[in-house]
Amino acid sequence: AQSVTQLDSQVPVFEEAPVELRCNYSSSVSVYLFWYVQYPNQGLQLLLKYLSGSTLVKGINGFEAEFNKSQTSFHLRKPSVHISDTAEYFCAAQGGSEKLVFGKGTKLTVNP
Amino acid sequence: EPEVTQTPSHQVTQMGQEVILRCVPISNHLYFYWYRQILGQKVEFLVSFYNNEISEKSEIFDDQFSVERPDGSNFTLKIRSTKLEDSAMYFCASTPGQGVAYGYTFGSGTRLTVV
Repeated sequence: AQSVTQLDSQVPVFEEAPVELRCNYSSSVSVYLFWYVQYPNQGLQLLLKYLSGSTLVKGINGFEAEFNKSQTSFHLRKPSVHISDTAEYFCAAQGGSEKLVFGKGTKLTVNP
Repeated sequence: EPEVTQTPSHQVTQMGQEVILRCVPISNHLYFYWYRQILGQKVEFLVSFYNNEISEKSEIFDDQFSVERPDGSNFTLKIRSTKLEDSAMYFCASTPGQGVAYGYTFGSGTRLTVV
């Protein structure tokens, strides 16, 4: 069985600052890893995914994440955030079955 | 861009009442899912559905829950007798095929409040 931990429930940052949202996973099987974003009153939108290959994955809106097998992490990063990046971000894992296992989410607030 | 549509966006119901949450998946998608998020908790898998059958369900998905694809376009989640603890955001999702190469498309959710 998989589990996903997002250590930070809220992350406030200033506009144009870098940000890292942390995600750790545990799994007894190979996993595939995802980051989703939820803007207010909208659905979950896929930001990026790691299936195999290069451990650095680039996604939409300038986000990227690095898969680190030894640290069982998949942290999300952006070098310079915008006000429009304010949203809730969910890390998720899939392995061994169809279902996604989600973390609790991290609310990113970008302040001017 | 094709969307998964969920209605209503917010539903309030009395404890013990039946409620039906509706979803219209993307038209050429074949696999359908329900997830829920209780306030402050993780998004949790409820059920997956393919070829008019449940393909996987979680322990949350007990006899009080059922799913149906009544007319080839809608995908519904029914809760027979709602409890206070059923209050949550319910997300519908669909994919064109099985496997991680196919990304989920999620709807914007229905917030269910049981009073």
